[in-house]
Amino acid sequence: AQSVTQLDSQVPVFEEAPVELRCNYSSSVSVYLFWYVQYPNQGLQLLLKYLSGSTLVESINGFEAEFNKSQTSFHLRKPSVHISDTAEYFCAVSGAGGTSYGKLTFGQGTILTVHP
Amino acid sequence: DAGVTQSPTHLIKTRGQQVTLRCSPKSGHDTVSWYQQALGQGPQFIFQYYEEEERQRGNFPDRFSGHQFPNYSSELNVNALLLGDSALYLCASSRDLTGHTEAFFGQGTRLTVV
Repeated sequence: AQSVTQLDSQVPVFEEAPVELRCNYSSSVSVYLFWYVQYPNQGLQLLLKYLSGSTLVESINGFEAEFNKSQTSFHLRKPSVHISDTAEYFCAVSGAGGTSYGKLTFGQGTILTVHP
Repeated sequence: DAGVTQSPTHLIKTRGQQVTLRCSPKSGHDTVSWYQQALGQGPQFIFQYYEEEERQRGNFPDRFSGHQFPNYSSELNVNALLLGDSALYLCASSRDLTGHTEAFFGQGTRLTVV
């Protein structure tokens, strides 16, 4: 079984400032890791994912996340945020095999609010 | 490509009633998963369908059941509705079971039980 803890429920930040959204996970098997974003009254959109290979993954809109196996973390970062980044962000994990193959376990979410 | 479509978008039901939610997966996708997202919470996995069979199930009671049709579309049925079943129900589709491929989510069905 897997679990995900997002360490901050809300993160307020000013426009053009850097931001980090923290995510820790636990699992007894190898995992795939994901960050999803949810805008108000919408479904989830995949932001980025780690399956294997380079531990640093990037999205097309400037976000990046680093898989740290020893610390069981997958923190999301952006060096300079925009107003349009205001949304709720979910960290998720799935097992890379076994009974949790393809099943996503989500954290509680972090609401990022970017102020002008 | 219409992506994942869910119907209806909103629904109000009374305690004890039954409800059916529908999902059409993204074109080319054969795997459908359902999630429940309570207010202020992350989505929770209900079950996953592939080749018209339930392949995985989360910690949800038997009141929650589903079906997948030959065209890969899916239904989620909830019997004997409780107030606590009020939530956003999300459908996700993917090209396979592995988890390698991206899961695309629909906009969800907002169910309110009164």
